[in-house]
Amino acid sequence: KAGVTQTPRYLIKTRGQQVTLSCSPISGHRSVSWYQQTPGQGLQFLFEYFSETQRNKGNFPGRFSGRQFSNSRSEMNVSTLELGDSALYLCASSLGGNSNQPQHFGDGTRLSIL
Amino acid sequence: AQKVTQAQTEISVVEKEDVTLDCVYETRDTTYYLFWYKQPPSGELVFLIRRNSFDEQNEISGRYSWNFQKSTSSFNFTITASQVVDSAVYFCALSEVNFGNEKLTFGTGTRLTIIP
Repeated sequence: KAGVTQTPRYLIKTRGQQVTLSCSPISGHRSVSWYQQTPGQGLQFLFEYFSETQRNKGNFPGRFSGRQFSNSRSEMNVSTLELGDSALYLCASSLGGNSNQPQHFGDGTRLSIL
Repeated sequence: AQKVTQAQTEISVVEKEDVTLDCVYETRDTTYYLFWYKQPPSGELVFLIRRNSFDEQNEISGRYSWNFQKSTSSFNFTITASQVVDSAVYFCALSEVNFGNEKLTFGTGTRLTIIP
């Protein structure tokens, strides 16, 4: 069974640009969560989608947004990039609903802002 | 608010030694899940274990064991006879047990280095 797939693995952008990251969950998983990992702040929850609806949102500015498609694939968008957005962005999927199953993570997208 | 504290930032041990990683949590919820994840240099977070707050039984899986003590809000992880492949950053995490809430609150992680 294929794991969580995130693309691209690495990305370099400049300040002010915008970026879209993609996440394909494990087959059958309907919940997709996004996390930002930085040396200073550690792992922080961005948001979670289930059946194309955002169910939870972390404490990030509106420049960070996401969406989920009918096949459960998810994208995350960051607009007007800032130097502080440089981070490893991790996507996690789970069955969701009342399944009480743990989340499984992808390899992440490492975003560098110049 | 939920909080997870991993006081040990870095630990180094010689191969074959036992090592315990500490995790202390705070939550107002009466039911919750606790997790341990491993992050090797590749970056992927690898799921190791999930424990429901109702289940205080310790668990052993091969060289790994977990000690959950609700009275002290701790969920410690022990690796017995450590190996070089155990070198990684280990994260303890906490989540609510609520339909519709998949959010994980992570600790800051413990970097474990196993010296050959």
